[in-house]
Amino acid sequence: SQQGEEDPQALSIQEGENATMNCSYKTSINNLQWYRQNSGRGLVHLILIRSNEREKHSGRLRVTLDTSKKSSSLLITASRAADTASYFCATDERNFNKFYFGSGTKLNVKP
Amino acid sequence: DVKVTQSSRYLVKRTGEKVFLECVQDMDHENMFWYRQDPGLGLRLIYFSYDVKMKEKGDIPEGYSVSREKKERFSLILESASTNQTSMYLCASDRGDYGYTFGSGTRLTVV
Repeated sequence: SQQGEEDPQALSIQEGENATMNCSYKTSINNLQWYRQNSGRGLVHLILIRSNEREKHSGRLRVTLDTSKKSSSLLITASRAADTASYFCATDERNFNKFYFGSGTKLNVKP
Repeated sequence: DVKVTQSSRYLVKRTGEKVFLECVQDMDHENMFWYRQDPGLGLRLIYFSYDVKMKEKGDIPEGYSVSREKKERFSLILESASTNQTSMYLCASDRGDYGYTFGSGTRLTVV
């Protein structure tokens, strides 16, 4: 598979803890994105990080990108029950005009 | 906010039927995409379109076709529905640096 792959497949934490999800990919990219999907709904864009960026923040979200290791991580700090969702990374590695998605990490935040 | 509207949330069709899934975006985006989502397989790209009447095959185009007669509307057509096309179908519109905006999805069941 040439698209990004998330790890772990599932993660269960207590409210207030931090959640870290990882994404690995195989070839060079221009951009990497993270999305969130609530059960049975469409995906919502969270953050885009470019290949020349190492870190990006948005509220409680922190995304890092290590192009030498071909990996990215998404950190959600001080998690809330409302953060329960699936999280996907998407990379444009095969064609710079479109993005390919991984299988996602299912996050469960227990109240 | 950009809105992507998929005409149906749930559809049940019979094997062999011709099925139309409609997607409309309310901005002047050139790039639009159709994905299908299956458990454990993530999102797989079926077709995308980069302008009116312009289209390109994704990873799994077999059994599908698309139509883009107007910029705002991108239709996915199942020529002869089969049970292995039972899936969640997601349409997306490309906002460039702000990622994709997805519709809410159409859950199609072929019986």
